[in-house]
Amino acid sequence: EAGVTQFPSHSVIEKGQTVTLRCDPISGHDNLYWYRRVMGKEIKFLLHFVKESKQDESGMPNNRFLAERTGGTYSTLKVQPAELEDSGVYFCASSPLKTGADDTQYFGPGTRLTVL
Amino acid sequence: AQSVTQLGSHVSVSEGALVLLRCNYSSSVPPYLFWYVQYPNQGLQLLLKYTSAATLVKGINGFEAEFKKSETSFHLTKPSAHMSDAAEYFCAVSTSYGKLTFGQGTILTVHP
Repeated sequence: EAGVTQFPSHSVIEKGQTVTLRCDPISGHDNLYWYRRVMGKEIKFLLHFVKESKQDESGMPNNRFLAERTGGTYSTLKVQPAELEDSGVYFCASSPLKTGADDTQYFGPGTRLTVL
Repeated sequence: AQSVTQLGSHVSVSEGALVLLRCNYSSSVPPYLFWYVQYPNQGLQLLLKYTSAATLVKGINGFEAEFKKSETSFHLTKPSAHMSDAAEYFCAVSTSYGKLTFGQGTILTVHP
């Protein structure tokens, strides 16, 4: 069974440009999460999809970030326009649709975003 | 609100020595607690999780953790460190919808 995959693995862009990150969850996983780790800080929650619906987007930093999950399969996270403070590692995780908070989330390898 | 504190951003041990990584949590409800490990250039991998079934939880690769409600702790231990244990370790607490709140991470170095 393939794990969670993320593309690209690295992205270097100029301030003001647009970047789109992609996450492919494990097949059949309805829950999809985005997290971010800024250098030297803890991993922080960004948002949670259940199928194609946003369950919780309380962690999204501002309206320059747009996440989508059309069709309830893969998800994209677009940053437009990118700022220096957006640099960090963006992780995606998925889990099956269950009712408990004890569900294991399966993480992808992350996308390292550098904004110059 | 929930929070997690990992004491020590870097821990260094000798091969064969006890590994102890500390985690304290704050939660207004009974927590679900997790330890994840990240090896270089890889994603986070679940080591073990506490879901209220048993206070002593055994995980993969010989790791275990004990949930102590009175101390609000969930420390991770391994009796004998291997070189392959060198990685970054994350303690996390979960909310009702599975949103994880992470600690700052602890980098474990194992030297010969």
